[in-house]
Amino acid sequence: DAGITQSPRHKVTETGTPVTLRCHQTENHRYMYWYRQDPGHGLRLIHYSYGVKDTDKGEVSDGYSVSRSKTEDFLLTLESATSSQTSVYFCAISEGQGGFEQFFGPGTRLTVL
Amino acid sequence: QKEVEQNSGPLSVPEGAIASLNCTYSDRGSQSFFWYRQYSGKSPELIMFIYSNGDKEDGRFTAQLNKASQYVSLLIRDSQPSDSATYLCAVNIRSGGGADGLTFGKGTHLIIQP
Repeated sequence: DAGITQSPRHKVTETGTPVTLRCHQTENHRYMYWYRQDPGHGLRLIHYSYGVKDTDKGEVSDGYSVSRSKTEDFLLTLESATSSQTSVYFCAISEGQGGFEQFFGPGTRLTVL
Repeated sequence: QKEVEQNSGPLSVPEGAIASLNCTYSDRGSQSFFWYRQYSGKSPELIMFIYSNGDKEDGRFTAQLNKASQYVSLLIRDSQPSDSATYLCAVNIRSGGGADGLTFGKGTHLIIQP
């Protein structure tokens, strides 16, 4: 298995609370991604990073921010959580761009009440 | 809007038969195609990727790509109950910063009947 961990694995929080999810990799891959997975929508890209301090928006970035201060860590922050952000969040990594395969972490199940 | 379409299923196949999973995509510029398997409550696991037209075989799995028809498929031979899962088709997209994310289909739920 690719060396990817996510923390926390489960979280329940209340509307309006800030939440930070962490993705940590031991593969030294340059590219890191955050996806959310919801019934009826499949996996959707939130944000991605192509290097330390280099990030960009994905398909569903509203309400989310990211940071990457080290190669191995990619943080996803919900500044003020809403019930619509209840989802399973997956981090993924890839060695390169241009269609390199991506490998997924175990996921974080987030519930916003 | 770049899309990837899959039949959601469930697709029910007898044990030992061939399971055929299909996927169409809308972006003619797509170059890389992936199949992921996802068990309930688990993360997606890469099982096949294909870049060129034609067939690519790996064990019991065969990926088929037809760029002219914008069609990619996955065949699973000698299906086993352990193959029961949701299969996600994914296609690379070009994002503004130059890194490729993936556009995923919603997945096909496959059930292998013993």
